[in-house]
Amino acid sequence: NAGVTQTPKFQVLKTGQSMTLQCAQDMNHNSMYWYRQDPGMGLRLIYYSASEGTTDKGEVPNGYNVSRLNKREFSLRLESAAPSQTSVYFCASTALSYEQYFGPGTRLTVT
Amino acid sequence: GNSVTQMEGPVTLSEEAFLTINCTYTATGYPSLFWYVQYPGEGLQLLLKATKADDKGSNKGFEATYRKETTSFHLEKGSVQVSDSAVYFCALSDSTGGFKTIFGAGTRLFVKA
Repeated sequence: NAGVTQTPKFQVLKTGQSMTLQCAQDMNHNSMYWYRQDPGMGLRLIYYSASEGTTDKGEVPNGYNVSRLNKREFSLRLESAAPSQTSVYFCASTALSYEQYFGPGTRLTVT
Repeated sequence: GNSVTQMEGPVTLSEEAFLTINCTYTATGYPSLFWYVQYPGEGLQLLLKATKADDKGSNKGFEATYRKETTSFHLEKGSVQVSDSAVYFCALSDSTGGFKTIFGAGTRLFVKA
């Protein structure tokens, strides 16, 4: 039982490059989330998916797109990376009791 | 809307000291309340939870009581260890927030040997 997995763990991009962050969970959870964490800013919700087939914007969606590929997988895409997107990105999924389970994070640097 | 406010850090304590991290919330419904912990270089993990008023959540020596009358969920530990050094997040979820969890800003704890 791996829980929530994220790839890659680290990534360096140049401004304007694109990339996709992958997330998968094996707990049969319906809801999945993408957050970013910046120093002094806590966690900010980028997008979430309440169930397979649905996605909704969170607090800071600009510059990102998401795909809920199936019940297990929820990817986050940066179409044209900017230095302001340098951050640590966390994927999470939620049990029926609202507990969130987090992945280990992707540390992204945009130069 | 729902919100969570927790005390600013960092909090620096000596080993075996008593810990309190204050958390208050605003919610329109009847939320579940959580404390999450984040160790350096890792994702958040659930520390404890409480789902209704007067419930006490506990884990690894940490405790928090759901106080509806004061809308609080303060985290306490009687004797901290160096290994407790981490960032602690208070959070709430309820059905009125859809499927989203509202997190506090986090409180960094340093424990000195």
